Amino acid sequence: DQQVKQNSPSLSVQEGRISILNCDYTNSMFDYFLWYKKYPAEGPTFLISISSIKDKNEDGRFTVFLNKSAKHLSLHIVPSQPGDSAVYFCAASSYVLMNRDDKIIFGKGTRLHILP
Amino acid sequence: KAGVTQTPRYLIKTRGQQVTLSCSPISGHRSVSWYQQTPGQGLQFLFEYFSETQRNKGNFPGRFSGRQFSNSRSEMNVSTLELGDSALYLCASSPGVAGRDTQYFGPGTRLTVL
Repeated sequence: DQQVKQNSPSLSVQEGRISILNCDYTNSMFDYFLWYKKYPAEGPTFLISISSIKDKNEDGRFTVFLNKSAKHLSLHIVPSQPGDSAVYFCAASSYVLMNRDDKIIFGKGTRLHILP
Repeated sequence: KAGVTQTPRYLIKTRGQQVTLSCSPISGHRSVSWYQQTPGQGLQFLFEYFSETQRNKGNFPGRFSGRQFSNSRSEMNVSTLELGDSALYLCASSPGVAGRDTQYFGPGTRLTVL
């Protein structure tokens, strides 16, 4: 039972355009969401996060939107650059669920290709 | 500050053997978490250690175990290896508990079980 779903295994976007990566979750107890980026042969690196008390968080070219009623979040990258080509993981956690087995859950990732 | 380091980077074992992976967190970080990454499965949480205590565990069999030392360094052990244990094992450290704090990942140990 996947609690965090990234339904698009891959996405190709033209350089300079907007990249939109989507993530859905099923557990309404999740209250903190993060995005990580991973290059081959490296560990994931933190990108941006959002708390459930907000519906938007922005950091430079990266913006995360949270729609709690739809249990959906998205990561927008504008403008997309060649260095953005990587695998992006969405993750969710719940303070209430902490100290149980499913404290932090990652999605399976979306591979983003930025085309020249 | 030095980043999270993991040793070894690559490992080849045969079925039935056991393996120990090591992780050195960023200095000052008290939490160390371990994840398994396999193709198509994303990052699956194994366990988290905080101040030498296991505070959380994922849905993995008892063959997977770990520990954390007083200097926050952590080891993960897998006994009676199976072919399906072939994966990239990632360690991540954070100043506070993993679910509330940014995690910093190491490069991983790629384990191949033959």
